[in-house]
Amino acid sequence: EVQMAQSGAEVKKPGESLTISCQGSGYSFAQQWIGWARQMPGRGLEWVGVIYPGDSETKYSPSFQGHVTISADTSINTAYLQWNTLRASDTAMYYCARFFVGEYSGYGDSWGQGTLVTVSS
Amino acid sequence: QSVLTQPPSVSAAPGQRVTISCSGSNSNIGNNFASWYRQVPGTAPRLLIYQNDRRPSGIPDRFSGSKSGTSATLDITGLQTGDEGDYFCGTWDSSLGAVVFGGGTELTVL
Repeated sequence: EVQMAQSGAEVKKPGESLTISCQGSGYSFAQQWIGWARQMPGRGLEWVGVIYPGDSETKYSPSFQGHVTISADTSINTAYLQWNTLRASDTAMYYCARFFVGEYSGYGDSWGQGTLVTVSS
Repeated sequence: QSVLTQPPSVSAAPGQRVTISCSGSNSNIGNNFASWYRQVPGTAPRLLIYQNDRRPSGIPDRFSGSKSGTSATLDITGLQTGDEGDYFCGTWDSSLGAVVFGGGTELTVL
C-alpha cells in the first residue's frame, strides 16, 4: 500500500526559514515523481511542484518558482519543501503526493495527511 | 483565479445524478488528460478519476469521467449523503509546464 507521511505542523515568523518533509513508502520512491500542493484557508488546491528523486529533476509552478525549493533524499525515501524566507502569505496547508507527470498527464494518486504552516509575527 | 473553471456549488437529492463541469483551454484540458479529486473539509484530497475516465482501485463505478474538447465532466450517479464534499478537477498545462487545478465545486446532497 502506498503511503505518504508528512511532518507535523509548524509556526514560524516572517523572514524565518522552514523545511517540511514527506516520507513515501510502498512503492519505488526513486522512480516516481513526488511533489507538493498548497491549500490556503478556505481556498482550492495550487500545485507547487515535483521532484523525480532518481535524478533530482524538478518542475515548479511559475507561481512558486524562486520562492521554494523541492529536494529529496532517496536513502530515507523522503522529499522536502523548503523556504529560505517565509512570508505571512505562505500560511496554508501543504500536501505532498505521489504524482504522475508526463507529456499529457499530471495527477496525484496518493496524498499525505497535510502539514499546516502558520507564518505570523 | 484558477486556470480551470468549475461551478462553485451543485446540489441534488439522494439517489439522483449530478454532473460537475471543468472548463479549460487548448493548453491544458484540450490536449491533456483530466483528473478529478474529492476532498472532505479538513482531510486530504483523494483521486477519483485519472486520464479522463479511469478509476483507481476502490472508487465505485458511480463515479465516471469524460472529456470533450476543452472541457471535462464528472458524473456521480446514485448520490449518497456520504458523497458530500469539495470536488476538484486537474490536468497538465503545457504552456505553464505545471499541473493546474480548478477552483473546486461544493457538492451538497439534499
